[in-house]
Amino acid sequence: SQTIHQWPATLVQPVGSPLSLECTVEGTSNPNLYWYRQAAGRGLQLLFYSVGIGQISSEVPQNLSASRPQDRQFILSSKKLLLSDSGFYLCAWSRQPTNEKLFFGSGTQLSVL
Amino acid sequence: DAKTTQPPSMDCAEGRAANLPCNHSTISGNEYVYWYRQIHSQGPQYIIHGLKNNETNEMASLIITEDRKSSTLILPHATLRDTAVYYCIVSVDDKIIFGKGTRLHILP
Repeated sequence: SQTIHQWPATLVQPVGSPLSLECTVEGTSNPNLYWYRQAAGRGLQLLFYSVGIGQISSEVPQNLSASRPQDRQFILSSKKLLLSDSGFYLCAWSRQPTNEKLFFGSGTQLSVL
Repeated sequence: DAKTTQPPSMDCAEGRAANLPCNHSTISGNEYVYWYRQIHSQGPQYIIHGLKNNETNEMASLIITEDRKSSTLILPHATLRDTAVYYCIVSVDDKIIFGKGTRLHILP
């Protein structure tokens, strides 16, 4: 069966510090991978998605970047965190081709202070 | 931007059917309708999806109008554990955009 791992579950970082959130998928190959963010009391915002290694689509101009160094690994990064980067970050995957359902990880609650 | 419109909140009595509407008047012919739900502090959970025909699974039923401009998610016997935010999404490609959803309150 397929599983998605996302860590850490919670993270408190000072403004200006770097960020690295990692997501890995097991039990499948060549998945579509996604990063979403949910600010407090808000909806889910698509940040990045990837259809293959090294292929990243960015949805919102921002202080974050994403990379996919391996087929089942998706990393969300920032060089310098802002207060507005606080939120609940969710990784998700789906099978290819398109029109397949999303499976979400358990999320990372990031607080930037 | 999301291509769907949903009421911000709804109430339903426990044990009754919960009918959640979604308007997607600009849907194109090859776009699917998906429903997910998110329980507080968890990742969204897939419920059901369809293209043209009505669909049913162990969780819910999806009714899509003939012109495909709207749909309804039906939870046949709502329980307190169905309290969540329900998202209706239309998508044809790899980019899955969530709207604000409907916050469903199940009343005991």
